[in-house]
Amino acid sequence: AQTVTQSQPEMSVQEAETVTLSCTYDTSESDYYLFWYKQPPSRQMILVIRQEAYKQQNATENRFSVNFQKAAKSFSLKISDSQLGDAAMYFCAYKDYGGATNKLIFGTGTLLAVQP
Amino acid sequence: KAGVTQTPRYLIKTRGQQVTLSCSPISGHRSVSWYQQTPGQGLQFLFEYFSETQRNKGNFPGRFSGRQFSNSRSEMNVSTLELGDSALYLCASSPYSGTDEYFGPGTRLTVT
Repeated sequence: AQTVTQSQPEMSVQEAETVTLSCTYDTSESDYYLFWYKQPPSRQMILVIRQEAYKQQNATENRFSVNFQKAAKSFSLKISDSQLGDAAMYFCAYKDYGGATNKLIFGTGTLLAVQP
Repeated sequence: KAGVTQTPRYLIKTRGQQVTLSCSPISGHRSVSWYQQTPGQGLQFLFEYFSETQRNKGNFPGRFSGRQFSNSRSEMNVSTLELGDSALYLCASSPYSGTDEYFGPGTRLTVT
């Protein structure tokens, strides 16, 4: 069974600085998706970024980028120029490619605090 | 486009009662998934509906059920509520099964 592990329960970053959140996963599949979701205090889950496993290029969305290491089964999120609004719980998630088992498998989350 | 909407946002029920939660997906989205979020178990997949058919089901007892209507709106039902059913229930929609999922604001269920 696929698993997702986030080993950092809490992280803190100064405003305007860069922070990296870690995620590792386990799967026997070769094709899959990886996601980072943000959950602010409102509890609304917001899709931050997606990575397709078959793509070697790391995904980037504005200040958010990932470091995808397929062989190591590692998927970290880098937030550049951190802003106060980035403070939230961040979840790493896995999904099999192809839709046969269309479900997200989530890690336990990393609570990010942004200090002014 | 309007986002995923869930009703009600908050609900308080008593043990033994049943509850129905509703989810309206983003217009044009045909897949709806439900997740349960609790402090102890984290985020867990409940089930997925696509074109009115349940495609996947998570490891939850039969007290948890759902359905999807022809307009892609979905409902989930929990019967014989237990204290452990207290959770945030999140609905997510996607255009097709296997693509990006967009979440609603959730329904906070408290069982007393």
